[in-house]
Amino acid sequence: AQSVTQLDSQVPVFEEAPVELRCNYSSSVSVYLFWYVQYPNQGLQLLLKYLSGSTLVKGINGFEAEFNKSQTSFHLRKPSVHISDTAEYFCAVRSINGNQFYFGTGTSLTVIP
Amino acid sequence: EAGVVQSPRYKIIEKKQPVAFWCNPISGHNTLYWYLQNLGQGPELLIRYENEEAVDDSQLPKDRFSAERLKGVDSTLKIQPAELGDSAVYLCASSLSGGLGYTFGSGTRLTVV
Repeated sequence: AQSVTQLDSQVPVFEEAPVELRCNYSSSVSVYLFWYVQYPNQGLQLLLKYLSGSTLVKGINGFEAEFNKSQTSFHLRKPSVHISDTAEYFCAVRSINGNQFYFGTGTSLTVIP
Repeated sequence: EAGVVQSPRYKIIEKKQPVAFWCNPISGHNTLYWYLQNLGQGPELLIRYENEEAVDDSQLPKDRFSAERLKGVDSTLKIQPAELGDSAVYLCASSLSGGLGYTFGSGTRLTVV
């Protein structure tokens, strides 16, 4: 089985400042890695995913993440956040041969004006 | 193209009452999932269907929860009777075989009072 740890439950950051949301995973098999965003009272929206190839993945809304196999991490970054980035962010893994997602507990990002 | 459609968006019921949620997956997606998202947590898989067959229901509390996917398209998740602890968001997702095109719906927020 796989598991995901999101180290920060809440991250406040000022508008236009950079942000990093941390994610570590554990798995005995090869996995795909994902970041999802959830706005209040909304479903999950895919931000970006790592399947293979370049370890730096760019997603929507200016977000990017870097896969580090040796550290089993997939941290999410944005160089300059906006008020509209305030939301809950979930890191998730799925084995390359499986259908089930394993999610972290989420990081609540609050952008302060 | 329409995404995964869930209804209702919100539901408030008294404990011990029954409740049902409906999901319409993306056209052509043969795999359908129901996830449970408790407050402050990431989603967790309840059940996975391949066409009309439930291939993984190990996380479904079968004493009060049931699901069906007649004709391998729409699906219904039922709780009878509901308990206070069932208050959560119930997410439906669908994908092609192997997890391609995995898409989440907006969820149904259940409040049991």
